[in-house]
This record gives sequence, C-alpha cells and structure tokens, in this order.
Amino acid sequence: QQQVKQSPQSLIVQKGGISIINCAYENTAFDYFPWYQQFPGKGPALLIAIRPDVSEKKEGRFTISFNKSAKQFSLHIMDSQPGDSATYFCAPRGETSGSRLTFGEGTQLTVNP
Amino acid sequence: EPEVTQTPSHQVTQMGQEVILRCVPISNHLYFYWYRQILGQKVEFLVSFYNNEISEKSEIFDDQFSVERPDGSNFTLKIRSTKLEDSAMYFCASSRTVYNEQFFGPGTRLTVL
Repeated sequence: QQQVKQSPQSLIVQKGGISIINCAYENTAFDYFPWYQQFPGKGPALLIAIRPDVSEKKEGRFTISFNKSAKQFSLHIMDSQPGDSATYFCAPRGETSGSRLTFGEGTQLTVNP
Repeated sequence: EPEVTQTPSHQVTQMGQEVILRCVPISNHLYFYWYRQILGQKVEFLVSFYNNEISEKSEIFDDQFSVERPDGSNFTLKIRSTKLEDSAMYFCASSRTVYNEQFFGPGTRLTVL
C-alpha cells in the first residue's frame, strides 16, 4: 500500500528538450503529490506539488500531470536547461493520515548543453 | 532565506558506538522530521516530532533510535549502538504545520565501520 514506483531511473536530454518523469503509487489515501529536486551535496527541495482536485498544474517550465484513476502523476520539464541536471523524487503523502513523505527511487536527469 | 542546518556533515564511527546527529530547524517551524537514504536506495521516513512528542514513526525507527529537542533550536537523532547497516545519509526536515512544505537540510553522512 505504501509502494511508490518512479521511472525512468536516469534520463539524458538535450538542452531545449522535454524531460518527462513518471510516478505510480498504490496507496489511495495519498492526497498530496509533490516533486522534489536534489542537487549534489544538498537535501531535497520542493519543486512543484499538486492536490487531487486538479489534473494539471504549471509553474514556469515545470508541469505536473495527475491521473487519479491510473494512480499516476508525472513531471514535465519544458525547455530543459543544463542547470536542471539533478535528481528528482516524487514523494506523495496522505495529509489526512500522517505527515510522512513516501519517496520514489529517484531519477537522475542530465541535460546536455 | 531561512534554512535547515545539520551537523556534522560527515560522521565516522565504530560499530556499537553511540552517535548523535544534530539539526537546527527553521525557527518558526513546529514539525520536525528525520529521513535517511542508504547509498543507492530511496529516501525513507524515520520519524516525525511535534510538541515534544513523536507523532509518527516508521518500522525502521526501533529502540536503538531516539529523538529529542533539548532546547528551543536544536533537534537531535541519537543512535544508541550503531550497526554497519546504519551507514546512510540522514536528512532532517521541518515544516510550519503538518500540511506545509517540508524543508530539508543538507544531510549528515554517517559511516559505521
């Protein structure tokens, strides 16, 4: 019930391309769906998050798409830049059932110049 | 910008020794967390802490672990008798309320020899 599966494990894109990272979950009690970004030597930092009452949220070049029936959500990075090279984690949470974030395995994104 | 700080950045200890990992959460935050990441694995929740009490803990957080807020600024994780498998990166996080974003520190790398 707590399993969170993230794919791909690693991703290489060219500057200006679109990066897409997917997250599938099992726990239907999750009601908060964030993506975290982590640079080497730093802790994870919240990038963008969505709640299940909407199917998409856009903040600048970053978009979350949410499919409640499929229990999946994805991160789209438009016009990817070398500075976006980092590890990305989905980390859904059940706000009404506790505060713990349940992390996916992480995706190492490399954006080539 | 306020941030979560952690000390030390790297701790090396012998198996069976006690270690204390220290964190200074963001000053107006009320909820505190510890997560860990074993090398090559996903980030895992250990414990959350509010109002001087553990509010939630995972199955990993057994009797060898304890947390404390010894004063108004520090939040500590103690491992009483370290094992080789405790080697990991330990992240502290804090949030203003249980529903707000969790801000992560840079982590303490614990190496148990």
